[in-house]
Amino acid sequence: DVQLVESGGGLVQPGGSLRLSCAVSGFTFNDHFMDWVRQAPGKGLEWVGRTKNKASNYITEYAASVRGRFTISRDDSNDSLHLQMNSLKTEDTAVYYCVQYYYGAPYWGQGTLVTVSS
Amino acid sequence: DIQMTQSPSTLSASVGDGVTITCRASQSIDWLAWYQQKPGKAPKVLIYKASTLESGVPSRFSGSGSGTEFTLTISSLQPDDFATYYCHQYNSYMYSFGQGTKLEIK
Repeated sequence: DVQLVESGGGLVQPGGSLRLSCAVSGFTFNDHFMDWVRQAPGKGLEWVGRTKNKASNYITEYAASVRGRFTISRDDSNDSLHLQMNSLKTEDTAVYYCVQYYYGAPYWGQGTLVTVSS
Repeated sequence: DIQMTQSPSTLSASVGDGVTITCRASQSIDWLAWYQQKPGKAPKVLIYKASTLESGVPSRFSGSGSGTEFTLTISSLQPDDFATYYCHQYNSYMYSFGQGTKLEIK
């Protein structure tokens, strides 16, 4: 079974940094693109960004709202995905999910909460 | 960027009713999913590739449509179905979501 487990969330002050991780199992991680999606409290879902696979030169793509502040990386040797978040703003407060589209079907982790507050 | 317009934003219905939620894409897409979400939980996949029922999802849920118009239909509402529903296009580049439909008990 495909499984994704996020970790690393917590409370951080505005302007601070946080690194999220997503551990995956149940599929050949290094073959696939991986995405991050977030959901602010009481709000809808927002695509954050993506890392492509080695065959696509690990190209990363980002939503305009996080471009230049967030960096997505992957460790194919450990089947893990990361989201480095810098210069955090209060509006980045959200549950962050990693998502994998395995043969056309989306798989989501359970999410990790990031709270940006002083 | 592909914009997803979902309607209605709120839907009131009774147990046993049939309901339909619509999602319109700003350009033609092939890859569309529908999710159910309850408070404090991750979105649950109901339908993917517009009309493929996710394993384990009851058959009262169905998805249809193509191009720019898609629908999620629940044929006979059960108490567990009252939740928020989202459409999601994963066709190209910057994936996007509908604004959500909150399905409430009438």
